Amino acid sequence: AQTVTQSQPEMSVQEAETVTLSCTYDTSESDYYLFWYKQPPSRQMILVIRQEAYKQQNATENRFSVNFQKAAKSFSLKISDSQLGDAAMYFCAYRAFPLNSGGSNYKLTFGKGTLLTVNP
Amino acid sequence: EPEVTQTPSHQVTQMGQEVILRCVPISNHLYFYWYRQILGQKVEFLVSFYNNEISEKSEIFDDQFSVERPDGSNFTLKIRSTKLEDSAMYFCASTTGRTKNTEAFFGQGTRLTVV
Repeated sequence: AQTVTQSQPEMSVQEAETVTLSCTYDTSESDYYLFWYKQPPSRQMILVIRQEAYKQQNATENRFSVNFQKAAKSFSLKISDSQLGDAAMYFCAYRAFPLNSGGSNYKLTFGKGTLLTVNP
Repeated sequence: EPEVTQTPSHQVTQMGQEVILRCVPISNHLYFYWYRQILGQKVEFLVSFYNNEISEKSEIFDDQFSVERPDGSNFTLKIRSTKLEDSAMYFCASTTGRTKNTEAFFGQGTRLTVV
């Protein structure tokens, strides 16, 4: 069974500083995607960044980047130049593509989340 | 920007009562999902729905749960006889397809409180 673990229930960062959120996962699948979702107080879950397991290059989206270590099954999120609007719950998630699944259902496995506070 | 909308934002119901949570997916999306998050716990997959039938469900999705798309826009989750342990945030999501590049769009959630 796939599992996703976020070991940091809460993190805080000063505005304009950099913070890294940790995520590890366990899977026997070879083809999968990893995601970071942001859930602000408005509660809507917003996709921040995603990484395909076959791609060695780490994904980046503006101030957000990941450190994907496939062998270690680690997928951390780095937020640079943190802004007050980055304050939210961040979820790491995993989606597998089993062989011959034709894409599989969009079944995401989530971690418990990390609550990020940004201090002015 | 198109978005998934869920109503109500908060529902309080008595144990044993039926409750229907409503979702309006993005209009050109074809696949629909329900997830739930018990307070302090992980977000968990409940069910996926395509072409008017369930395509996958988790072990949580027992006979007390059902889903339907009663018209061309709404996607509902019904809990027939609510239990205290059904108290959670329920998230609806939709996608255009299920290929690798598909992105899931989530609603803002419905907080269900069973008393």
